[in-house]
Amino acid sequence: GAVVSQHPSRVICKSGTSVKIECRSLDFQATTMFWYRQFPKQSLMLMATSNEGSKATYEQGVEKDKFLINHASLTLSTLTVTSAHPEDSSFYICSASRQAGGSAEQFFGPGTRLTVL
Amino acid sequence: ELKVEQNPLFLSMQEGKNYTIYCNYSTTSDRLYWYRQDPGKSLESLFVLLSNGAVKQEGRLMASLDTKARLSTLHITAAVHDLSATYFCAVARTGNQFYFGTGTSLTVIP
Repeated sequence: GAVVSQHPSRVICKSGTSVKIECRSLDFQATTMFWYRQFPKQSLMLMATSNEGSKATYEQGVEKDKFLINHASLTLSTLTVTSAHPEDSSFYICSASRQAGGSAEQFFGPGTRLTVL
Repeated sequence: ELKVEQNPLFLSMQEGKNYTIYCNYSTTSDRLYWYRQDPGKSLESLFVLLSNGAVKQEGRLMASLDTKARLSTLHITAAVHDLSATYFCAVARTGNQFYFGTGTSLTVIP
């Protein structure tokens, strides 16, 4: 149980285009989903927290207009990188938890590698 | 701002040796997680430590938590090549946001 999938696993796009990444909880309802980015040989940085049916909460320094997050259902959250540029190239990982707040464990997706040319 | 630091950042050790990775964090938290990441892959959960003094062991890895010192350790016993990976600790904050440590890249040399 507690499987999280991401799609696509890899994407290459041209500078200036937008890319959508999906994160799905396959066998449980995810009240909260989280989005992280990871640059090569660096740690994971939390970008935003997304609760179903409400606006995402972004971490300081993350542009909400550039990284659009939608959590329309209890099993799906999407991250759209708008007007992508080469510096947005990174490994994006989502996670999902069964309950909001509290001490719920997060289950991580396999990640999406974005390359912007 | 919650800061999570690990040391060492890089660790090269011979098979059969023991070593400890340290994870220090800057503000109060009662939950700490350890993950393993292989190159190009996502995270594999290793341990969840939920209380002061918690100790958990799985195979050659043992993790402990001291919430008063804001310190967790991941001890490796008799390392084998298969343990080569990057190890992250993560501290949970109110609202369940996770803040990850800087990571420790472990290479076990035959």
